Amino acid sequence: NAGVTQTPKFQVLKTGQSMTLQCAQDMNHEYMSWYRQDPGMGLRLIHYSVGAGITDQGEVPNGYNVSRSTTEDFPLRLLSAAPSQTSVYFCASSYGLAGNEQFFGPGTRLTVL
Amino acid sequence: GNSVTQMEGPVTLSEEAFLTINCTYTATGYPSLFWYVQYPGEGLQLLLKATKADDKGSNKGFEATYRKETTSFHLEKGSVQVSDSAVYFCALQAGTQGGSEKLVFGKGTKLTVNP
Repeated sequence: NAGVTQTPKFQVLKTGQSMTLQCAQDMNHEYMSWYRQDPGMGLRLIHYSVGAGITDQGEVPNGYNVSRSTTEDFPLRLLSAAPSQTSVYFCASSYGLAGNEQFFGPGTRLTVL
Repeated sequence: GNSVTQMEGPVTLSEEAFLTINCTYTATGYPSLFWYVQYPGEGLQLLLKATKADDKGSNKGFEATYRKETTSFHLEKGSVQVSDSAVYFCALQAGTQGGSEKLVFGKGTKLTVNP
């Protein structure tokens, strides 16, 4: 199993550009989520999905879109990048229900100039 | 709302010292509690968890006990090693419906262990 994979590892954008961060998992997990990690802020939930075709907002969803067309993939879209979106982004997945371990990808470090 | 407060870092210890990282939480109902660890340049990985009051989670010499009366889940290790240097995150899950898997994280505590 590859676990949770994320691409790219690093990305530099200019303000106003768009891009998609990719996330895939091969563990047949129902639940997938995106977090951003900022210094002194811990991890904050952006969007999550409890299954294919179902997504919902987390704590900091503004400026981000998601979709879940398959169980395996959960891409995060930045429609018009802003410097405030400079961060490290982590994707995670788990089997449904509370109490289960979430498995994290290696992260994408995004810089918006 | 649900929240996690953990002790501010950074924490610097000598090898074989005793470690405590405090974590308290606010949540409705009966949350599950977790400690995740992030080694330099990597994603987070589960260190230990407890899903009900008085449960003790343990792994790699680390322990934490779910104390509902004090709403705490402090992380302890009796003798730290240089390889324990990392950032430690306390987290809770408190949902009861769809999306109950959502994690709420503390801000993280950076631990450095010197030889």
